[in-house]
Amino acid sequence: SQTIHQWPATLVQPVGSPLSLECTVEGTSNPNLYWYRQAAGRGLQLLFYSVGIGQISSEVPQNLSASRPQDRQFILSSKKLLLSDSGFYLCAWSGGPLGQPQHFGDGTRLSIL
Amino acid sequence: KNEVEQSPQNLTAQEGEFITINCSYSVGISALHWLQQHPGGGIVSLFMLSSGKKKHGRLIATINIQEKHSSLHITASHPRDSAVYICAVKRSQGNLIFGKGTKLSVKP
Repeated sequence: SQTIHQWPATLVQPVGSPLSLECTVEGTSNPNLYWYRQAAGRGLQLLFYSVGIGQISSEVPQNLSASRPQDRQFILSSKKLLLSDSGFYLCAWSGGPLGQPQHFGDGTRLSIL
Repeated sequence: KNEVEQSPQNLTAQEGEFITINCSYSVGISALHWLQQHPGGGIVSLFMLSSGKKKHGRLIATINIQEKHSSLHITASHPRDSAVYICAVKRSQGNLIFGKGTKLSVKP
């Protein structure tokens, strides 16, 4: 069966520090992968999606970047975190048409101090 | 105006009550999703539908494409149903647009 792992579950980082959140999927190949952010009081916002290794599409300009070094690995990064980067980050995947994630990770709660 | 609106924002019910959560949208869509977000933050996909009605256990989701409206019903609600329920629409071109969610609390 397919599973999705996302870590860490919680993270507290100072402003200006780097960030690396990792997401891996098991039990499927060539998934579409997604990074979402959920800011307090707001709906989920798509940040990045990927249809294959090395292929990253960004939905909104921001302080973050994403990479897909392996088929089932999706990484969200930042060189210098801002206070506004605080939020809840979710990784997701889909095996079907692009844009319809069906499976979500447990999320990472990121607090910037 | 948001492209996806959910109502109510917050809902408190007594165990056993029939619950309805509504979702209205203003864009052309190819599918609509209902998601459940647990208190810890993890999200589970409940339904994906493009027409009619789907049922899974005590959960029923309906969609009216002409009226651009969907409802999620929970029959015989239970405290374990307490969660945030999120409506998301897949635009005909593009990615999902999410509603802000409805926080449901079911009291024993």
